[in-house]
Order: sequence, then structure tokens, then C-alpha cells
Amino acid sequence: GAVVSQHPSRVICKSGTSVKIECRSLDFQATTMFWYRQFPKKSLMLMATSNEGSKATYEQGVEKDKFLINHASLTLSTLTVTSAHPEDSSFYICSAPSNRGGVTDTQYFGPGTRLTVL
Amino acid sequence: QQPVQSPQAVILREGEDAVINCSSSKALYSVHWYRQKHGEAPVFLMILLKGGEQKGHEKISASFNEKKQQSSLYLTASQLSYSGTYFCGTANTDKLIFGTGTRLQVFP
Repeated sequence: GAVVSQHPSRVICKSGTSVKIECRSLDFQATTMFWYRQFPKKSLMLMATSNEGSKATYEQGVEKDKFLINHASLTLSTLTVTSAHPEDSSFYICSAPSNRGGVTDTQYFGPGTRLTVL
Repeated sequence: QQPVQSPQAVILREGEDAVINCSSSKALYSVHWYRQKHGEAPVFLMILLKGGEQKGHEKISASFNEKKQQSSLYLTASQLSYSGTYFCGTANTDKLIFGTGTRLQVFP
């Protein structure tokens, strides 16, 4: 099956610093990628849709200036948490649909990034 | 609106069956089912694209009632490996919205 990687898998940072998370589709191209955030024992909440070659689409309540998304190529999307604070601590997961597909296609998830802000 | 799953949690003995329901307040165009182990990413189980569609995957199957805006996941003869949190995902236009989740624990 298709493989999606995320880096780093775990990051601990001080309050006020910025953290970049990379999401890569390793063996397929993805014009769209999705970023989710998950708090302990909660569901995955969609943060934004990353679109290759255009601006990301953010969900209501998600600050676009705080969570910067860049879809640099057909295999790479990055999420930068700017000026991170303890309340940003969470599990961040990206997904990509198979075969340049859309939301109704199988979504392949990255392994997730555990962010802890001290 | 986030789909609501029921029950919130299920405890089973190995070999028992379970049903997990997913209800949406909005029209459904497709339903996805995923299983997530603690600390890991969700793993795809199946997609149902049409109302009335049923699919099977080993001893795990699902149905999709488009009119009722519901889907159900059926787990038969459960195995220890089935433990985890199950999420339905409903895809409307350009978004995949996950349900509230059902935590399933299977004991020997």
C-alpha cells in the first residue's frame, strides 16, 4: 500500500519557538494533503487542507497565521506551528489520498508527530 | 458537524461480536472506517461509496444506509488484534470529517 511519512515523530520545544512538521508521500503523488490534530482520547479534528500550488484551506477556528501550511511539491507538505504555546501540544497527523485522488479515495495517514510545548 | 458514534466504548471477550454505529446530521456521500491503536496513526479498513452498499474485510464488514445517514461496522468473532479505537469518517465534497470514536477492548 501507499506510504506516507512524517518527520519528526516527536518534538519537545520551549514556549515561543516555531516547529516545522513534514509530511511526505513516498511512493505516490498527492495534489491534496490533510492535516489533523488529535488530543488524548479524542477524535481527529481536521485543521486544514493543503493544496499543491495554491493556498491551504483552513477549518473554522484554526488560525492560519499560527499554523502555516506549505505544499511545496506533489510529495511534500509542511505544517509550521509558529510561536508554539503549551496549548498547542498535541498529536499532529497528516493524510494523503491515493493516486492524486480526493477526499472520497482511500486516505493514507502518516505515523503522526507528538508535539510537546513546555 | 461531527458524526456521532455509538457506543462510546465496548469490552469484549475473544470470539464475541460487536456493532459500531455512525450517524451523521448531514447527507453522506461516502463513509470511511478506520482503526487506530494507541499512539499510532489510523489504519484504513474500508470505504462505502453508495447507499445500500455493504463490504467485508475478513471478519469485519460494514453497511451504509444513505437515507438514514448512517453506517454500521460489524466485527464478528473478535480477535485480540481488533482492540483499538474505531472511527468512521464522512466525506462531503472536499473534507473527511471523523466521528467521535468507539474504543474497543478485546480480552482473552
